Amino acid sequence: DVKVTQSSRYLVKRTGEKVFLECVQDMDHENMFWYRQDPGLGLRLIYFSYDVKMKEKGDIPEGYSVSREKKERFSLILESASTNQTSMYLCASSPGPRADEQYFGPGTRLTVT
Amino acid sequence: ILNVEQSPQSLHVQEGDSTNFTCSFPSSNFYALHWYRWETAKSPEALFVMTLNGDEKKKGRISATLNTKEGYSYLYIKGSQPEDSATYLCAFMGGTSYGKLTFGQGTILTVHP
Repeated sequence: DVKVTQSSRYLVKRTGEKVFLECVQDMDHENMFWYRQDPGLGLRLIYFSYDVKMKEKGDIPEGYSVSREKKERFSLILESASTNQTSMYLCASSPGPRADEQYFGPGTRLTVT
Repeated sequence: ILNVEQSPQSLHVQEGDSTNFTCSFPSSNFYALHWYRWETAKSPEALFVMTLNGDEKKKGRISATLNTKEGYSYLYIKGSQPEDSATYLCAFMGGTSYGKLTFGQGTILTVHP
């Protein structure tokens, strides 16, 4: 079974803090993704990566950065957390060819106070 | 940003009812259409990945159809059960997107015993 794990299920941070969300997949997948989910808005893509050290902006990259130093790990970084970044963050991975289904982690519910 | 719309936003049905919901997406530059089920406190899981116009896919009591020329897909659930209660998400992949999905806002299904 493909497993995608995320470092925390729940996280509370203060405004201005630097926040790291970690995602690890164990199936040697090429592609990894970071989404946020807000009520009524569905999943919105923040960043994705199709190879080690490669990254592409998604639909809402402002205020975020990412790092992919190893194939299995994709990190989302909030350089200076703000209250409008309070959300559910989901990581996903897919094997490679574009049509492949994505496998999701359990999500991190981040609250910025 | 691409427009992927799902309807209805929410649906309440009785156990045993059959139901269906709609996903509409751009009819140009189509590559694939995904359906995911997201149960409360779990990760989204893929139901179907559809790539060809006229595709029909089935998994148990759940089936889906695809019309890429007019830009819509239907998801059908026959004889709904309480365990079918979940958010159902569709996601569009365009031809130049390198595996990037654009999700609809989801349909929340509640099946009452």
